[in-house]
Amino acid sequence: EPEVTQTPSHQVTQMGQEVILRCVPISNHLYFYWYRQILGQKVEFLVSFYNNEISEKSEIFDDQFSVERPDGSNFTLKIRSTKLEDSAMYFCASSPRQEGAFFGQGTRLTVV
Amino acid sequence: GESVGLHLPTLSVQEGDNSIINCAYSNSASDYFIWYKQESGKGPQFIIDIRSNMDKRQGQRVTVLLNKTVKHLSLQIAATQPGDSAVYFCAETDYSGNTGKLIFGQGTTLQVKP
Repeated sequence: EPEVTQTPSHQVTQMGQEVILRCVPISNHLYFYWYRQILGQKVEFLVSFYNNEISEKSEIFDDQFSVERPDGSNFTLKIRSTKLEDSAMYFCASSPRQEGAFFGQGTRLTVV
Repeated sequence: GESVGLHLPTLSVQEGDNSIINCAYSNSASDYFIWYKQESGKGPQFIIDIRSNMDKRQGQRVTVLLNKTVKHLSLQIAATQPGDSAVYFCAETDYSGNTGKLIFGQGTTLQVKP
């Protein structure tokens, strides 16, 4: 069964460092998303991406965040200068339509 | 404002019993709803969805009910099993946004006692 894959599963970084979280969405999906989940809290929307551009972003997704789809398979989330409060699980998701989403297993980001 | 919330943070049931997990939403423009299951350390897993033109949809051992009048969504799990233990989230989306963005509720922890 096709699935969204994310790497790494766990990333530890020092405050102020740049991190890149990687995702391979399900083949043939057209809509791509990043969500995050702070420990014990609900899943929060960060950004949606369609047709090689951001279609919507949340207040969380400030200038420190960026997304790219550098080739036909990868979808990345970059945080330029990490802060302690960026520590969370980051989930990539994809969908063939503007509804629902299939999620990856997540990357646990720990900023120290 | 837009929000999706859950009535109970934790639900404990006996193995074999039926479980009902509830969700309230406030965005009347939402027209598509999904229930996700999240096991510890994993990503949300799609369980079942329902569109706003329906009030009930059944899957394997699961049923979702939608009451648009009171903006209420529920997930019924029949013959609950230990493997059903997880956090359950309802999520909503508004087609008019054209992005498929999901708004998640707080989550309900389901504990199944053997």
